[in-house]
Amino acid sequence: SQTIHQWPATLVQPVGSPLSLECTVEGTSNPNLYWYRQAAGRGLQLLFYSVGIGQISSEVPQNLSASRPQDRQFILSSKKLLLSDSGFYLCAWSVEGHTEAFFGQGTRLTVV
Amino acid sequence: SQQGEEDPQALSIQEGENATMNCSYKTSINNLQWYRQNSGRGLVHLILIRSNEREKHSGRLRVTLDTSKKSSSLLITASRAADTASYFCATDRGYQKVTFGIGTKLQVIP
Repeated sequence: SQTIHQWPATLVQPVGSPLSLECTVEGTSNPNLYWYRQAAGRGLQLLFYSVGIGQISSEVPQNLSASRPQDRQFILSSKKLLLSDSGFYLCAWSVEGHTEAFFGQGTRLTVV
Repeated sequence: SQQGEEDPQALSIQEGENATMNCSYKTSINNLQWYRQNSGRGLVHLILIRSNEREKHSGRLRVTLDTSKKSSSLLITASRAADTASYFCATDRGYQKVTFGIGTKLQVIP
């Protein structure tokens, strides 16, 4: 069966520090991968999606970047965090041709 | 921008009652999905309805889709305390772009 791992669960980082959130998927090949951010009391904002290794599409200009170094690994990064980067970050995957998405448990990032 | 908008934003009902949540969207879609999120957790997929379908059932869930009104509803029958969560609709516009609404926070009081 397929599983998705996202870590860490919580993170407190100072302004200006770097960020690296990792997401891995098991049990499937060539998944579509997504990073979403959820602000408090808000819906999910799609940040990045990837349909293959090295293929990253950015939905909104921002202080973040994403990379897909391996088929089932998706990384969200920042060189210098801003206060506004605080939020709940969710990784998700789906099968090519299907839009049902499977989510990780999320990372709550607090930038102080 | 958010494609879907859920209504109401918050709903509180007694256990055993039915809960109805609505979702409106703005552009053409391939399908519409409903997800559930327990507090501080990831989202769990509940049901998908395609643009050529009008109604779909899954257990105590009933979803309708009216493409002429660009709206959908999620009905949870005989609610339970364990149904307490936030519920999101998500619309698929193609090209791997699934857009979520802001959600309805449902509280089921035992």
